[in-house]
Amino acid sequence: DAGITQSPRHKVTETGTPVTLRCHQTENHRYMYWYRQDPGHGLRLIHYSYGVKDTDKGEVSDGYSVSRSKTEDFLLTLESATSSQTSVYFCAISRESGAAQPQHFGDGTRLSIL
Amino acid sequence: SQQGEEDPQALSIQEGENATMNCSYKTSINNLQWYRQNSGRGLVHLILIRSNEREKHSGRLRVTLDTSKKSSSLLITASRAADTASYFCATDAGRGNAGKSTFGDGTTLTVKP
Repeated sequence: DAGITQSPRHKVTETGTPVTLRCHQTENHRYMYWYRQDPGHGLRLIHYSYGVKDTDKGEVSDGYSVSRSKTEDFLLTLESATSSQTSVYFCAISRESGAAQPQHFGDGTRLSIL
Repeated sequence: SQQGEEDPQALSIQEGENATMNCSYKTSINNLQWYRQNSGRGLVHLILIRSNEREKHSGRLRVTLDTSKKSSSLLITASRAADTASYFCATDAGRGNAGKSTFGDGTTLTVKP
């Protein structure tokens, strides 16, 4: 398995509170991604990073921000959590882009916002 | 909007039977990938097929790609209970897209022992 660790694995919090999820990789891959997965659906891209301090928005970026100060860490922040952000969040990494490269996924963070 | 759409949404078969899942997409692609997701886990990459390939095999997996119909199929032969999982296709438009993939909603496969 690719060395990807997501923390925490589970979190319950209240509406309006800030939340930060962490993705840590030991593969030295350049590209990192944050997705959310809602029941019965596939993954939707929130934000991605193509290098240290280089990030861009995905399909569903509203209400989320990211930071990448080191190659190995990619943080996802919900500035003021809302119930609609209750979901399972997955981090993924890939070695390069452009060419066909598979993504490797962490085991997810289950986030519940009450 | 989702680029890939899997069909059927759910599939239930007996152990030993073959399982076929289909994926349709809307715009031109450079490659298409299939992933498996076991309950409570992240996605695991199964196989990648490039737009200039028509068929690819990996163990009991066979993937076909028909770019004229914008569709792909995943065949799992001689299924096992351990194949029970959700299967997703993901399309990648390639260069300039930072390796981004667009995932479908998945097919949930149940293999009964």
